Amino acid sequence: EDQVTQSPEALRLQEGESSSLNCSYTVSGLRGLFWYRQDPGKGPEFLFTLYSAGEEKEKERLKATLTKKESFLHITAPKPEDSATYLCAVQATLSSGTYKYIFGTGTRLKVLA
Amino acid sequence: DTEVTQTPKHLVMGMTNKKSLKCEQHMGHRAMYWYKQKAKKPPELMFVYSYEKLSINESVPSRFSPECPNSSLLNLHLHALQPEDSALYLCASSQGSAGGNIQYFGAGTRLSVL
Repeated sequence: EDQVTQSPEALRLQEGESSSLNCSYTVSGLRGLFWYRQDPGKGPEFLFTLYSAGEEKEKERLKATLTKKESFLHITAPKPEDSATYLCAVQATLSSGTYKYIFGTGTRLKVLA
Repeated sequence: DTEVTQTPKHLVMGMTNKKSLKCEQHMGHRAMYWYKQKAKKPPELMFVYSYEKLSINESVPSRFSPECPNSSLLNLHLHALQPEDSALYLCASSQGSAGGNIQYFGAGTRLSVL
């Protein structure tokens, strides 16, 4: 069964304290892995998409990497404004031949000043 | 521009009311989605429209009725909802529904059913 698991569930960091969020997945025929940031009461904001193992994407303090079984979102020297829930999604192929996102449960990040 | 606009931002309705949620995008995307999200949970897919045709219905109760009048608009008609339907309703769009397409989300409609 296609599945996405994120860890940790919640993370508190001091400002400037770097860390990594994990997204592990089991899916037949990965068509893309997507990272989103979601602020409370808002819609998810697209961050990165990764398509093949070994791929890396970077944006400001965030860097996403992908292996055949998991993805990491590395946060370097975070600031309080990086506080949010970070969602990982993989695209799975349905038996009908269509595609859907399977979301992980997210990591709630809190960065303290 | 990756903007998906949802209206209204907030909606309170009684269990006997009929209301509609609206979603609009002008990115030329041909796939549009409705998701439901409860607090501290990930978004759950409800419906997918591809080229204005319903392609996925995730066994959603009939009190939720989607409509795609044209390639830029997506509606969700609500009727006889239950209090447990209170949630954040998210609309998303992507260039197509094929593998690898990025979904862009709107800000959502916060729905409360009394």
